[in-house]
Amino acid sequence: DGGITQSPKYLFRKEGQNVTLSCEQNLNHDAMYWYRQDPGQGLRLIYYSQIVNDFQKGDIAEGYSVSREKKESFPLTVTSAQKNPTAFYLCASSGARFYQPQHFGDGTRLSIL
Amino acid sequence: QKEVEQNSGPLSVPEGAIASLNCTYSDRGSQSFFWYRQYSGKSPELIMFIYSNGDKEDGRFTAQLNKASQYVSLLIRDSQPSDSATYLCAVNRNGTASKLTFGTGTRLQVTL
Repeated sequence: DGGITQSPKYLFRKEGQNVTLSCEQNLNHDAMYWYRQDPGQGLRLIYYSQIVNDFQKGDIAEGYSVSREKKESFPLTVTSAQKNPTAFYLCASSGARFYQPQHFGDGTRLSIL
Repeated sequence: QKEVEQNSGPLSVPEGAIASLNCTYSDRGSQSFFWYRQYSGKSPELIMFIYSNGDKEDGRFTAQLNKASQYVSLLIRDSQPSDSATYLCAVNRNGTASKLTFGTGTRLQVTL
């Protein structure tokens, strides 16, 4: 089945620790995205990538880093510089055209210990 | 002014009625518009998308777009309790084909 797989489903971060969230897609999509969702708020774009080995900052990139070494994979690292990391993190992918919708993985819930 | 605005709700409709969800956007260059449904604690699920003025129907769902008024809406006919969720409007950003701006969502409650 084609889809987007995020892991883990739940993640706990200790003070000063970096954590990495995994996102893999087998939809052959060119573009991939990371969003953060806080309670009662919409989705805010952290980073996006439209092609392998290239990525761009979104609206709230500070304290996060990404890589895009393979078309299928777009991991997100939440660094210790991100002081308020508790949120629901969503990975999405899409084709590159304006009319092609984004499809989402099941998300990762990150909490502080 | 927010880039994409939605009434947060809750919008309460009785079972079998039509639910009307509205969204306004500020970027006149936006070309494509998406509606996602999000159940509590779950990820967003695509319901419909539209990029031409007018109506687009898919089963019980109709998306309506008016670019002159910068307005997009989603109608849900014969509303069911299973339609109770938060509906997110998303608009592509002018000049960046695939980047979206999301509204904060409208919570819909379908009552028995």
